[in-house]
Amino acid sequence: DVKVTQSSRYLVKRTGEKVFLECVQDMDHENMFWYRQDPGLGLRLIYFSYDVKMKEKGDIPEGYSVSREKKERFSLILESASTNQTSMYLCASSPIGAGEREETQYFGPGTRLLVL
Amino acid sequence: AQSVAQPEDQVNVAEGNPLTVKCTYSVSGNPYLFWYVQYPNRGLQFLLKYITGDNLVKGSYGFEAEFNKSQTSFHLKKPSALVSDSALYFCAVRLLRGSYIPTFGRGTSLIVHP
Repeated sequence: DVKVTQSSRYLVKRTGEKVFLECVQDMDHENMFWYRQDPGLGLRLIYFSYDVKMKEKGDIPEGYSVSREKKERFSLILESASTNQTSMYLCASSPIGAGEREETQYFGPGTRLLVL
Repeated sequence: AQSVAQPEDQVNVAEGNPLTVKCTYSVSGNPYLFWYVQYPNRGLQFLLKYITGDNLVKGSYGFEAEFNKSQTSFHLKKPSALVSDSALYFCAVRLLRGSYIPTFGRGTSLIVHP
């Protein structure tokens, strides 16, 4: 079974702190994604990575950065946390290429971040 | 551009009755379509997808969805709802040829009453 793990389920931080959210997948997937989920807004893409050291901005990249130094790990960084970044953060990965698994995203359990 | 609409924030159904969760999409080409389910305090889980072929797609937990190209819809259905089906359901779309990034709908909360 594909496993996507996230470093924390719940996190409480203070305004202005630098926050690291880590995501690891064990299936050698090329694509990795960071989303935030807010009630009534669904999933919004923050950043996408299709290879090591490669990244693309999503719909809401402001206030965030990412790092992908190894294929299995994709980190989301909040440079200076603000209260409007309180949210559920979801990491996902997906393979590319032909086959039944193609295109399916596999999600981690999520990190619920509270910024005070 | 691609977009997804889930017109209902919430769907209520009695256990044992059939359920439908609606999804319409917009893409400038042939679509990949997906349904995911999210149980409380969990990540999303894949339910089913349409890529090509038969318009009726069967997925996990007895769910199915019908691709209707003329109505640009991909509604999720189940013949007999269970209380344990209560969850948040997301529809997603991406172009058959293009970026690997899908667009998600806002989600529909399904509540199945005993």
